[in-house]
Amino acid sequence: KAGVTQTPRYLIKTRGQQVTLSCSPISGHRSVSWYQQTPGQGLQFLFEYFSETQRNKGNFPGRFSGRQFSNSRSEMNVSTLELGDSALYLCASNPGSTNEKLFFGSGTQLSVL
Amino acid sequence: AQRVTQPEKLLSVFKGAPVELKCNYSYSGSPELFWYVQYSRQRLQLLLRHISRESIKGFTADLNKGETSFHLKKPFAQEEDSAMYYCALKSSGTYKYIFGTGTRLKVLA
Repeated sequence: KAGVTQTPRYLIKTRGQQVTLSCSPISGHRSVSWYQQTPGQGLQFLFEYFSETQRNKGNFPGRFSGRQFSNSRSEMNVSTLELGDSALYLCASNPGSTNEKLFFGSGTQLSVL
Repeated sequence: AQRVTQPEKLLSVFKGAPVELKCNYSYSGSPELFWYVQYSRQRLQLLLRHISRESIKGFTADLNKGETSFHLKKPFAQEEDSAMYYCALKSSGTYKYIFGTGTRLKVLA
């Protein structure tokens, strides 16, 4: 099976712009979660989707939003970008059960100038 | 508040020496604890989880609820163990993982 695919691999944006990141989970996986990874904070949970519904949300401002499509692919959107949004954004999928492990993508490196 | 603390950013050991990566957590309920690992140029992947009580690549971790710890141990480090290790906590019945800030393990020849 193909792994979790994230596109694009790199993004450079300027403050105030918005950005959309994409994640395609492993075939058959219905849960997709998003994490922000920074050197100082490690991985921080953004949100998790299952069957197009957000089941859990982290402590990020409303500028961070996401959605999941019927084919389980997910997108994450960040509006009004700030310098502090520069980070590696990781997507992870799993079949959907709470006792299943996470399968991570390679991430999208976002740089905000 | 739920929190995972990994006190060491960097841990350097010599090949063949014992390794212990520390992880402490703060959680009021019954947590599920995991260790994830990221080798150079590879994706983050699960190493082990406490409910399995298994040994993976020679690593073990025991959940100590009294000390709220889940330290990762290996009796004899190998060079291929060099990687970034993350301890993670998941609230039982939820889908939200809380990760520590990670410890970089360097095994020296």
